[in-house]
Amino acid sequence: TQLLEQSPQFLSIQEGENLTVYCNSSSVFSSLQWYRQEPGEGPVLLVTVVTGGEVKKLKRLTFQFGDARKDSSLHITAAQPGDTGLYLCASTRPGTSYGKLTFGQGTILTVHP
Amino acid sequence: GAGVSQTPSNKVTEKGKYVELRCDPISGHTALYWYRQSLGQGPEFLIYFQGTGAADDSGLPNDRFFAVRPEGSVSTLKIQRTERGDSAVYLCASSRAGFGTGELFFGEGSRLTVL
Repeated sequence: TQLLEQSPQFLSIQEGENLTVYCNSSSVFSSLQWYRQEPGEGPVLLVTVVTGGEVKKLKRLTFQFGDARKDSSLHITAAQPGDTGLYLCASTRPGTSYGKLTFGQGTILTVHP
Repeated sequence: GAGVSQTPSNKVTEKGKYVELRCDPISGHTALYWYRQSLGQGPEFLIYFQGTGAADDSGLPNDRFFAVRPEGSVSTLKIQRTERGDSAVYLCASSRAGFGTGELFFGEGSRLTVL
């Protein structure tokens, strides 16, 4: 079973600060997704990365996929209170359904005004 | 509906009771997934349907858990002889296709509490 380790588990910062969340595995990812989940809601897909070394940007969020496809990071610039939530990375194993995801334990981000 | 709908949103039951959780996927989505999320953890895969059939049920923890999707749309997750350890949020997701890059859309979940 591919385990995804996320760090840090908790992050509490002030509005305007930058932050980075990491997702690591001992196995190679076939693809990796980042989700954001708010209390009482289901996870919402932010991005999918597939190619080693890939960088994707979504407004103030920058996602990187490691060259060896075993790690990924999410960087948020100038965090806002609306960024507060649980950030999850998830992956699939080669040959399995795209939707059969293995999730990390998540990073709980709190951005204080 | 516009999104994945799950009912009930909250269910409190006693140990040993039978529970049914319902998922109504986005219209036209052929793939349907059930996940379970315990407090402080990421979701864990339970079962995947492609149409009416369970294509992968490898995540079901034991034979007390069963899911059906008789007409290829609405799905019901059934839990027999509930245990306190079954307490969690049960998430349903749907997508246009099981293989490929169809995005998963999650419902808000059904929070199950077993006393």
